[in-house]
Amino acid sequence: AQSVSQHNHHVILSEAASLELGCNYSYGGTVNLFWYVQYPGQHLQLLLKYFSGDPLVKGIKGFEAEFIKSKFSFNLRKPSVQWSDTAEYFCAVNVRGGATNKLIFGTGTLLAVQP
Amino acid sequence: KAGVTQTPRYLIKTRGQQVTLSCSPISGHRSVSWYQQTPGQGLQFLFEYFSETQRNKGNFPGRFSGRQFSNSRSEMNVSTLELGDSALYLCASSAPRGGGSSTDTQYFGPGTRLTVL
Repeated sequence: AQSVSQHNHHVILSEAASLELGCNYSYGGTVNLFWYVQYPGQHLQLLLKYFSGDPLVKGIKGFEAEFIKSKFSFNLRKPSVQWSDTAEYFCAVNVRGGATNKLIFGTGTLLAVQP
Repeated sequence: KAGVTQTPRYLIKTRGQQVTLSCSPISGHRSVSWYQQTPGQGLQFLFEYFSETQRNKGNFPGRFSGRQFSNSRSEMNVSTLELGDSALYLCASSAPRGGGSSTDTQYFGPGTRLTVL
């Protein structure tokens, strides 16, 4: 069975600091990888996704993530965070090629950016 | 284009009752998935419907059920409510064309917050 681990449960940063949130998955086959964000009081929305090709994926709002197959990792990065990045971030995977959209989510990382 | 809508937004029930939650997907989307979000367990997949057929089901008891109508709207039902069913129930839609695929972006609704007393 697939599983996703997010090692940082709470992260507190000052504005302009760099961000890296860890995500590791467990699955023997090929997966699609996603990062979702949930801003306070808002819907869960997609930040970026990786299916194939260039392992460095760029998303919205200056976020990027790198897929490292050998490490089963898909870490999220942003060079300089803003107060508006305060949110909960979820890493998720699903099985590539499956006729289903079932997503397996990590437990989430709560990011607080201090002005 | 209107997003995914869920009704009601908030619901309070007592143990033993049943509840029905509704989800209207983005126009043209044919797949609807349901997730349960709790502080302890995070986001867990309940089930997915595509063209009125359940395509996948998560590891939840039979008290949780769902269906999808011909207009892609979906409902989920929880019978014999337990305190542990208190959660935010999220609906997501995708598959605007073709048979849908695992790479389709899922768009989430605001959720229905269910409190069981």
